[in-house]
Amino acid sequence: NAGVTQTPKFQVLKTGQSMTLQCAQDMNHEYMSWYRQDPGMGLRLIHYSVGAGITDQGEVPNGYNVSRSTTEDFPLRLLSAAPSQTSVYFCASSRVTGGWETQYFGPGTRLLVL
Amino acid sequence: EDQVTQSPEALRLQEGESSSLNCSYTVSGLRGLFWYRQDPGKGPEFLFTLYSAGEEKEKERLKATLTKKESFLHITAPKPEDSATYLCAVQPHGSSNTGKLIFGQGTTLQVKP
Repeated sequence: NAGVTQTPKFQVLKTGQSMTLQCAQDMNHEYMSWYRQDPGMGLRLIHYSVGAGITDQGEVPNGYNVSRSTTEDFPLRLLSAAPSQTSVYFCASSRVTGGWETQYFGPGTRLLVL
Repeated sequence: EDQVTQSPEALRLQEGESSSLNCSYTVSGLRGLFWYRQDPGKGPEFLFTLYSAGEEKEKERLKATLTKKESFLHITAPKPEDSATYLCAVQPHGSSNTGKLIFGQGTTLQVKP
């Protein structure tokens, strides 16, 4: 199992550009989520999904869109990048069998918006 | 408001010098408490899950304990390879439909040989 994979590892964008951060898992996990990690802030939940076709907002959703067409993939879209979106982004997944289980994280995407 | 506070922010130890990291939490109801290890430039790596007060988990030199208000990560005779940032996260009962984890800011541990 590859676990949770994320691409790209690093990206530089100009303000106003759009991009998609990719996340995939091969563990057949129902639950997937996106967090951002900023210095002094801890990890904060952006969006999450409890299954294909079902998504919802987390703590800091503004400026981000998600969709989930398959169990394996959960891309995060930035429609018009802003410098405030400079951060490290982590995707996580877990099983939801009989209740919430441990979430496993990907290696992260480091995004710099100029 | 649900909150997680970790202390100290940074900890320097000599190899073999045991110590403990603290995670204090305030939540409306605890579904679970998680410890992760994060190496520079990498994603959080799962260590332990604790569900109820009095529970303890061990893995090599690490031992995690849980009370009703805090959790401790005890490091016994640490080695340089234990150097990392240790993250604590709680999952409140209120997040049962979101899976949301509330993270502390982490404790950065440096173990010198």
